[in-house]
Amino acid sequence: DTGVSQNPRHKITKRGQNVTFRCDPISEHNRLYWYRQTLGQGPEFLTYFQNEAQLEKSRLLSDRFSAERPKGSFSTLEIQRTEQGDSAMYLCASSPRGIATGELFFGEGSRLTVL
Amino acid sequence: SQKIEQNSEALNIQEGKTATLTCNYTNYSPAYLQWYRQDPGRGPVFLLLIRENEKEKRKERLKVTFDTTLKQSLFHITASQPADSATYLCALPSTSGTYKYIFGTGTRLKVLA
Repeated sequence: DTGVSQNPRHKITKRGQNVTFRCDPISEHNRLYWYRQTLGQGPEFLTYFQNEAQLEKSRLLSDRFSAERPKGSFSTLEIQRTEQGDSAMYLCASSPRGIATGELFFGEGSRLTVL
Repeated sequence: SQKIEQNSEALNIQEGKTATLTCNYTNYSPAYLQWYRQDPGRGPVFLLLIRENEKEKRKERLKVTFDTTLKQSLFHITASQPADSATYLCALPSTSGTYKYIFGTGTRLKVLA
């Protein structure tokens, strides 16, 4: 399967711990997105990369969140000092180069539960 | 600021009927709009894209309309089946000029056998 891969699929952690999620996009997709989704809501934009450059980060995102995409391939999303309000599904999506209206290809998500 | 509204109440419909879902937006004139399907615990899956100069787009049993005057898109599923039960999301490109997409809250559709 050459779709978007996210790991881990589920993470349970205690408040105050750090967590890291990994996303492997579809090969040669140059745009990569992180979204957060809570129950009953649509995906909320967190950040977006074009190749290795982080082009936009949501103003709603606290400094505890950081994302990287070294070498323009896989990406990691780290949450430091987790809070119960961080509990959500974290979705990664990628989109191919050269298509301005390109659809987003989503992974299955990483579900975070903060106790 | 850019705002997207979808009916947050679940839509229950009898098998074989046509389901119609609504996406309204304000403070924006998008060049196109996308529709996605999301099953519980899964990531959204792209269904259709419609551009501002297209009044209607079809794909198998799916039909999408785009009324830029009303600032509304309608998503229709004809001859609905229980397998069509899912949450349907509309998404618009952000006003920020980047390739960012803003999603609506989604409408949960349940097709009853």
